[in-house]
Order: sequence, then C-alpha cells, then structure tokens
Amino acid sequence: GAVVSQHPSRVICKSGTSVKIECRSLDFQATTMFWYRQFPKKSLMLMATSNEGSKATYEQGVEKDKFLINHASLTLSTLTVTSAHPEDSSFYICSAYEREQSSYEQYFGPGTRLTVT
Amino acid sequence: KQEVTQIPAALSVPEGENLVLNCSFTDSAIYNLQWFRQDPGKGLTSLLLIQSSQREQTSGRLNASLDKSSGRSTLYIAASQPGDSATYLCAVGALSSGSARQLTFGSGTQLTVLP
Repeated sequence: GAVVSQHPSRVICKSGTSVKIECRSLDFQATTMFWYRQFPKKSLMLMATSNEGSKATYEQGVEKDKFLINHASLTLSTLTVTSAHPEDSSFYICSAYEREQSSYEQYFGPGTRLTVT
Repeated sequence: KQEVTQIPAALSVPEGENLVLNCSFTDSAIYNLQWFRQDPGKGLTSLLLIQSSQREQTSGRLNASLDKSSGRSTLYIAASQPGDSATYLCAVGALSSGSARQLTFGSGTQLTVLP
C-alpha cells in the first residue's frame, strides 16, 4: 500500500522557537494532504487541508499564522509551528490520498510528537 | 456538520470472545468510511475501508459493515486476542466545501483483551 512518512518522529523545543514537520508521500503523488492534531486520549482533529501549489484551508479555530503549511510539491507538505508554546505540545499526524485513486482512501504518517518546554 | 460517535468508549473482554464496536454518523452523504487501529503513542493503522456503495468489507478476523441510510457502521472482531488491544477509530469521509475529501473521526473505542 501507499506509504506516508513524517519527520521528525519526536521533537523537543524551547518556548518561542519554531519547529518544522515534514510529511512525504513516498510512492505516490498527493495533490491533497491533511494535517491533524491529537491530544492525549483524544481523537484526531483536522487542522488544515494542504493543496499542492495553493494556500492551505484551515479549520475554524486554527491560527494560520501560527501553523504555517506549505505544499510545494506533489510529495511534500510541511507544517511549521511558529513561536511554539507549551500548549502547542501535541501529537501531529499527516495524511494524504493518492492523486489517481478514485477511492480517496487516506494514508497516514506515523505522527510527530512535539514537546514544547 | 458531520458528527461521528463511537460506542462504547472503552471495552474490556476476555480472550477468545467475539465483539462488536459501533460507529454512528449524522450526515449520510458520505463517500467512504474507514476503520483504524491506534496503539498508544503510535500513528494510525488502516484496517478496513468501505466505499459508500458497499455494505461490508472483511479482512481476516475483522468484518466491517456500513448502513449509510441509518448512519451506522460496526466493526466485528472474531476470536479476540490480547494483541488486539488498542484504540479503534472510525472515520467518515465526505466532501468538504473546498472539494477535498475530508475525514471526520469518532472519539474511539479503547479495547482491552484480557489473556
């Protein structure tokens, strides 16, 4: 099946710094990628939809200036958490569906654990 | 706005038991439904995908059904094993206002299979 990778898998940063998380589709092209956030013992909440070559669409309540999304190619989307604060600590997961696949099955990355100290 | 509910929130069963996890959704205008498994601190493992035109899918000891008109799906696990212990998530796919196929997740069922 299709594979999605994320890097890094874990990151610890100091409050006020910025952190970039990469999401890559390894063996397929993805015009659309999604970014989710998951709090401990909670479900996944969609943050934004990332479209290749255009601006991301953010869900209500998600600050677009804080969570910068760039989808520069058909295989790479990045999420940058700017001026991170401890409340940004969370598990961030990306997903993608294959451009040519009509089922629109979403393939998920392994997630990135962000801890802001 | 689509809402997805999973019942029960937690379930503990002895090994070998057959069990059913439930998922309900409020808007029947969906294009697919996916069941996932998530182990603590890990990402999602896709278990089954059911297209809106299908009624069920099977993979090994897992069987998922879909009744779109009533807004329900069930995940049946046969002969449960301790290794099945995990959180099971149901996610419903629908067309967003921006034409993307978005998933809305339920809150999950935490399953514990006791040896």
